[in-house]
Amino acid sequence: GQSLEQPSEVTAVEGAIVQINCTYQTSGFYGLSWYQQHDGGAPTFLSYNALDGLEETGRFSSFLSRSDSYGYLLLQELQMKDSASYFCAVRDQGGANNLFFGTGTRLTIIP
Amino acid sequence: ETGVTQTPRHLVMGMTNKKSLKCEQHLGHNAMYWYKQSAKKPLELMFVYSLEERVENNSVPSRFSPECPNSSHLFLHLHTLQPEDSALYLCASSQERSGAGSYGYTFGSGTRLTVV
Repeated sequence: GQSLEQPSEVTAVEGAIVQINCTYQTSGFYGLSWYQQHDGGAPTFLSYNALDGLEETGRFSSFLSRSDSYGYLLLQELQMKDSASYFCAVRDQGGANNLFFGTGTRLTIIP
Repeated sequence: ETGVTQTPRHLVMGMTNKKSLKCEQHLGHNAMYWYKQSAKKPLELMFVYSLEERVENNSVPSRFSPECPNSSHLFLHLHTLQPEDSALYLCASSQERSGAGSYGYTFGSGTRLTVV
């Protein structure tokens, strides 16, 4: 089976930096992904890490440590529009691109 | 517009009704998925179709019945549902590549289902 752990809620200040952690347990591992979901909206793909290290995409970066079964999403220069839920997801070795998601972290940005 | 369109956006149905959810993707992807999203729970994978063939049925009750007539369309047929089935049902698509990692799902905006 699979299990992913994330904090349920995080609050951060506009313009600051925030890190959302994710730890996972899976029978197989084919990479860690991150998704953003605004209220009433569709989850949207943010990043993917298959190998250890940091991947940077604009204001967002994602990190993976396979030996620690741990990753994080780093958001810099926070904007009010970054208020959303963020989900980490792992691909299980069950075939196809089956993704299994964490419970999500509700990020609230305050002025 | 995300490239994956789901209809209807909202649905209220009685426990004895039969209804269907529809998903259409315009991205040329070869895999499609149904997920259930309930409050305070992870997105739950329900069904996976790869190249129009069902490859995963994640212990979903038989009152949910998927159908994938072609690579662009996916349906979820619902009958005799229970109130606890009320949730957001999300469809997603991806381009499956053998041996490669995840290249990201594209999700639809979902159908908000309420069973009364």
